[in-house]
Amino acid sequence: SQTIHQWPATLVQPVGSPLSLECTVEGTSNPNLYWYRQAAGRGLQLLFYSVGIGQISSEVPQNLSASRPQDRQFILSSKKLLLSDSGFYLCAWATTNYGYTFGSGTRLTVV
Amino acid sequence: AQKITQTQPGMFVQEKEAVTLDCTYDTSDPSYGLFWYKQPSSGEMIFLIYQGSYDQQNATEGRYSLNFQKARKSANLVISASQLGDSAMYFCAMREPYTGTASKLTFGTGTRLQVTL
Repeated sequence: SQTIHQWPATLVQPVGSPLSLECTVEGTSNPNLYWYRQAAGRGLQLLFYSVGIGQISSEVPQNLSASRPQDRQFILSSKKLLLSDSGFYLCAWATTNYGYTFGSGTRLTVV
Repeated sequence: AQKITQTQPGMFVQEKEAVTLDCTYDTSDPSYGLFWYKQPSSGEMIFLIYQGSYDQQNATEGRYSLNFQKARKSANLVISASQLGDSAMYFCAMREPYTGTASKLTFGTGTRLQVTL
């Protein structure tokens, strides 16, 4: 079966510390992968998407970066976190016509 | 640019009643897809229903139906026989035309639905 895994579930990090969030997909090959961020009480904002290994498209200039080292692995990173990076981060996998399947999300609090 | 508007920040409905959550969209593309997702307090995004721009009939999935009015550019979600477990945030989203590369979903700001006894 096709599943998407995202971890960690929650994270509290100090300002200026690095960040690495990981997302992996099982049961499919060459998926289109996405990172979204949701600020408290807001909608979802697309941050990055990837159509293949090493291929990253950025939607919003910011303090974050993404990488896709393997076909089914998508990583969101930062070298130095800002307070404004706090939010709920969701990884998603495009399932053609029927939108996305989302991971369970990571709630990041930068203190 | 595509835009999704959800004008109801919050809605209340009594258990067993029907409720309509509003969504309007704006696009110049003739081919697009419209989605509704449910987000409970746990944060996961749960796919509810999909409507393609060329679909002649309104989509239905169990207690969920999508009232698609193309000329008005609206895609309202109707939940029949509300249950306490329906209390959650609901997001409307639109997919841009699939061009062979990654298609992207644009989300509205959401409506928080509270089902009461």
